[in-house]
Amino acid sequence: DAKTTQPPSMDCAEGRAANLPCNHSTISGNEYVYWYRQIHSQGPQYIIHGLKNNETNEMASLIITEDRKSSTLILPHATLRDTAVYYCIVSDLLRDNFNKFYFGSGTKLNVKP
Amino acid sequence: NAGVMQNPRHLVRRRGQEARLRCSPMKGHSHVYWYRQLPEEGLKFMVYLQKENIIDESGMPKERFSAEFPKEGPSILRIQQVVRGDSAAYFCASSPGQLNEKLFFGSGTQLSVL
Repeated sequence: DAKTTQPPSMDCAEGRAANLPCNHSTISGNEYVYWYRQIHSQGPQYIIHGLKNNETNEMASLIITEDRKSSTLILPHATLRDTAVYYCIVSDLLRDNFNKFYFGSGTKLNVKP
Repeated sequence: NAGVMQNPRHLVRRRGQEARLRCSPMKGHSHVYWYRQLPEEGLKFMVYLQKENIIDESGMPKERFSAEFPKEGPSILRIQQVVRGDSAAYFCASSPGQLNEKLFFGSGTQLSVL
């Protein structure tokens, strides 16, 4: 089962920042937080991941709270093409290098003109 | 460097037939995951495979479903005696198998059972 909770949907105006929250209160010390998005019925697309420090790449920024119990994905200037379902995932470490990834229901981000 | 390749993209089967879905991971990736997605729902984990080894199949239905990832060739998800409820999008993802590496997804196979 997914270890994360997210709001089911959010709206954002085109050109504004989209801030997508995620709660992961049961995360353990060596588990990473991942974000993926799924546009329409395509395969999920990797966005970003992090452990405890804030991360930024060409797509987004990831802000993780100091206690690591929640995080926020920031799309700095949302466009209509960012309309998608965004999934926040904490991998389930099995053993050795085996990671299991559970997808929850995600947040449907609607970017409006 | 080709991404994760899934085929066929669309598969139509009649009730009672068998469905075989194929997934070729990215080059150098030794771990494969299969997920199922029903309309308007999230992705549900099915099975996690390493070459010649099933790591975790806790999401697989106990009957009619099986998966393999042989030493050579693609990973196969096999559904025997399909029923209408098996209609869904099936996504495959691969990873290098290192700790906390990200998954790369294929475009999925849409299975329709008539």
